[in-house]
Amino acid sequence: TQLLEQSPQFLSIQEGENLTVYCNSSSVFSSLQWYRQEPGEGPVLLVTVVTGGEVKKLKRLTFQFGDARKDSSLHITAAQPGDTGLYLCAGVRYNQGGKLIFGQGTELSVKP
Amino acid sequence: DSGVTQTPKHLITATGQRVTLRCSPRSGDLSVYWYQQSLDQGLQFLIQYYNGEERAKGNILERFSAQQFPDLHSELNLSSLELGDSALYFCASSVGAGVRYEQYFGPGTRLTVT
Repeated sequence: TQLLEQSPQFLSIQEGENLTVYCNSSSVFSSLQWYRQEPGEGPVLLVTVVTGGEVKKLKRLTFQFGDARKDSSLHITAAQPGDTGLYLCAGVRYNQGGKLIFGQGTELSVKP
Repeated sequence: DSGVTQTPKHLITATGQRVTLRCSPRSGDLSVYWYQQSLDQGLQFLIQYYNGEERAKGNILERFSAQQFPDLHSELNLSSLELGDSALYFCASSVGAGVRYEQYFGPGTRLTVT
């Protein structure tokens, strides 16, 4: 059983479309991070959200942390081929140090 | 470039063998984490060290061990290797050990057990 459920697992869209990736759990997290990973490389940190209800924007990417700190979403506006990659959400639970729990990932393909 | 370095980048070995993976954290980071990424399990936390001391443990097999040295680099030792140990192994580092410290990942070591 996955503690963090990501959906969808695969997404193939055309350049210019908008998309949203969801990360859900029944557990409460002290913080949640979003990473992007290219094939054969390490995950690259995009953002960290720590406050329930928090919204962070990074150019065309908008990240939201749920009020109850159990879920998060990543919204991409006007997707570009350069956005192609594996998007991973990862949460840190209270009293578990820095142990990151990862979702299964969303494989995004943006076609020109 | 995250500033975290890992060697080697690729490793091919036979079942039953032992290997050592090495990680150097970002300058100034005291905490090192090891993760395993496989197709069926995704990214799984193995173990965390902070300033030389083990801080947290995940689903790390008894055949696996790790340590962090005084210069803060870390090594992950995998022994009695099995085919199922083939995976990408990532090291990450952070300034501190707690929940509010962001982790930065290295490029990984791809281990293939034949």
